[in-house]
Amino acid sequence: AQSVTQPDIHITVSEGASLELRCNYSYGATPYLFWYVQSPGQGLQLLLKYFSGDTLVQGIKGFEAEFKRSQSSFNLRKPSVHWSDAAEYFCAVSGSARQLTFGSGTQLTVLP
Amino acid sequence: SQTIHQWPATLVQPVGSPLSLECTVEGTSNPNLYWYRQAAGRGLQLLFYSVGIGQISSEVPQNLSASRPQDRQFILSSKKLLLSDSGFYLCAFPRDGPTEQFFGPGTRLTVL
Repeated sequence: AQSVTQPDIHITVSEGASLELRCNYSYGATPYLFWYVQSPGQGLQLLLKYFSGDTLVQGIKGFEAEFKRSQSSFNLRKPSVHWSDAAEYFCAVSGSARQLTFGSGTQLTVLP
Repeated sequence: SQTIHQWPATLVQPVGSPLSLECTVEGTSNPNLYWYRQAAGRGLQLLFYSVGIGQISSEVPQNLSASRPQDRQFILSSKKLLLSDSGFYLCAFPRDGPTEQFFGPGTRLTVL
């Protein structure tokens, strides 16, 4: 069975600083990996996805993520964080029945 | 265009009362449909998924049930709510590809 671990429950960064959110997965085959963002009281929005090919994927809002098979990781990065990036971020892996298994999420706080 | 609706947006119910949450999709036919729950401070948990009318798969044993009476309608129900049923319920379908999911706006359920 697949699983996802997001080791950081809460991260605080200053506006303009760089950001990296960690995600580790466990899956027997080549994974389909996703990052979603959830603003307070809102549904989930897809930031980016990895299916195959280039291991560095670009997403919306200036985010990118790198798939590292040797480390079973799919970390999310942004070079310069904006105050509007404050939200909760979820990493997910797609299983055999096309349903998603999510990590427990990382809450991002952005200081002015 | 394809879209997804959830109703109601928020709900406050007493313990022991019944529940019915509705999810409908537009602009597509016979989609896979999913119900997720997000409990306070936790990630998302897949509850049910459906590949067609009358076809329901349950991922987690609980006092909730799901039904798919129509092609584009997915219902989440309970006969008697528990306090632990409180949470944010999200419906999803694979709008942009078979392995990724597009989420509805969610229903915030509070059981008192």
